[in-house]
Amino acid sequence: GEDVEQSLFLSVREGDSSVINCTYTDSSSTYLYWYKQEPGAGLQLLTYIFSNMDMKQDQRLTVLLNKKDKHLSLRIADTQTGDSAIYFCAVTPGVGGSQGNLIFGKGTKLSVKP
Amino acid sequence: DADVTQTPRNRITKTGKRIMLECSQTKGHDRMYWYRQDPGLGLRLIYYSFDVKDINKGEISDGYSVSRQAQAKFSLSLESAIPNQTALYFCATSDLGGVGTDTQYFGPGTRLTVL
Repeated sequence: GEDVEQSLFLSVREGDSSVINCTYTDSSSTYLYWYKQEPGAGLQLLTYIFSNMDMKQDQRLTVLLNKKDKHLSLRIADTQTGDSAIYFCAVTPGVGGSQGNLIFGKGTKLSVKP
Repeated sequence: DADVTQTPRNRITKTGKRIMLECSQTKGHDRMYWYRQDPGLGLRLIYYSFDVKDINKGEISDGYSVSRQAQAKFSLSLESAIPNQTALYFCATSDLGGVGTDTQYFGPGTRLTVL
């Protein structure tokens, strides 16, 4: 089945850019998502990208998709302490997968140092 | 008001007890999901329901059961709780054809501790 991998930890200084990376195995996945989980809270949808796009920008967030390498990244510009959270990559299953489900990575914990 | 609510938010129980976690949504979505989150393991799907009459097992359904009482309500039961079911449980909803196919919206979570 589909596998989604992320680094578990990332530490940056306030004001720097953060780049969180994700790789997935099924090239036929159609939608790819980034969710944010703040301490003690549920998952909040940050953004998503359709597989026929290379890039999507939304204010401080930039999503890059390299479909050939099956690599997704989330760049946060001017990272703030309020961006400290766990970030989950999630993808829709490809052809043959159980449609309607999302496959989640294990999450990347972003720590922002002042 | 929150679109997806979960009750209770925290629960401590003993081994062998029956527990029900409830989820309600006001988004009008047909699809509902139950996940559990364990540190370092991410989210794992327990059960999902595409409509009131459609219930499907997820990756880790053993030891759990669900009931879809209405479009807006989806409950998760642990018939006989055991300590390794201690986890954070999330309910989610989605609507095929909405913003991004099956974009899922999550509730705030229920922290369950089984002693």
